Amino acid sequence: EDQVTQSPEALRLQEGESSSLNCSYTVSGLRGLFWYRQDPGKGPEFLFTLYSAGEEKEKERLKATLTKKESFLHITAPKPEDSATYLCAVQAKAGNNRKLIWGLGTSLAVNP
Amino acid sequence: GAVVSQHPSRVICKSGTSVKIECRSLDFQATTMFWYRQFPKQSLMLMATSNEGSKATYEQGVEKDKFLINHASLTLSTLTVTSAHPEDSSFYICSARGPAHNSPLHFGNGTRLTVT
Repeated sequence: EDQVTQSPEALRLQEGESSSLNCSYTVSGLRGLFWYRQDPGKGPEFLFTLYSAGEEKEKERLKATLTKKESFLHITAPKPEDSATYLCAVQAKAGNNRKLIWGLGTSLAVNP
Repeated sequence: GAVVSQHPSRVICKSGTSVKIECRSLDFQATTMFWYRQFPKQSLMLMATSNEGSKATYEQGVEKDKFLINHASLTLSTLTVTSAHPEDSSFYICSARGPAHNSPLHFGNGTRLTVT
């Protein structure tokens, strides 16, 4: 069964304290892995798409990496404004099924 | 680019009434839009796929007569929660895939529905 598991469930960091969020997945052929950021009471905001193992993408303090089993979202020297829930989703290659499978997210709090 | 606008952002209604939520793609055309529901501490749950000019495709367990979806144009999909009950209170979010090849889903800002 296709599945996405994110860890930790919640993470509290001090400003400037780098860390990583994990997204483990099992899927019958990966079409793409997606990272989103969601602020309270808002819709998810797209961050990255990764398609194949070894791929990396960066945006400001965020860097996403992908292996055949998991993805990491590395946050370097975070700031309080990076506080949000980070969601991971995968899309399988199975036929025309474009439905995303979502993790529960990691709630990140960055203290000043 | 690829901006999705959703309205209203929050609505409070009485039990038994119907509520309509609009989802618009502002700078691109979307033949397909997706409606999600999100409960606290739970992952996004796909409710239905809205197809322009044809019937929506509902996920298993989602009542199509309760959640009416209309996608009458390439930039507008609506979700109507009919005869709402307190258990329908939730955060509803629409999304659409951007126009570029392999474009990801872009989401609206959601609608917080509270049924009293």
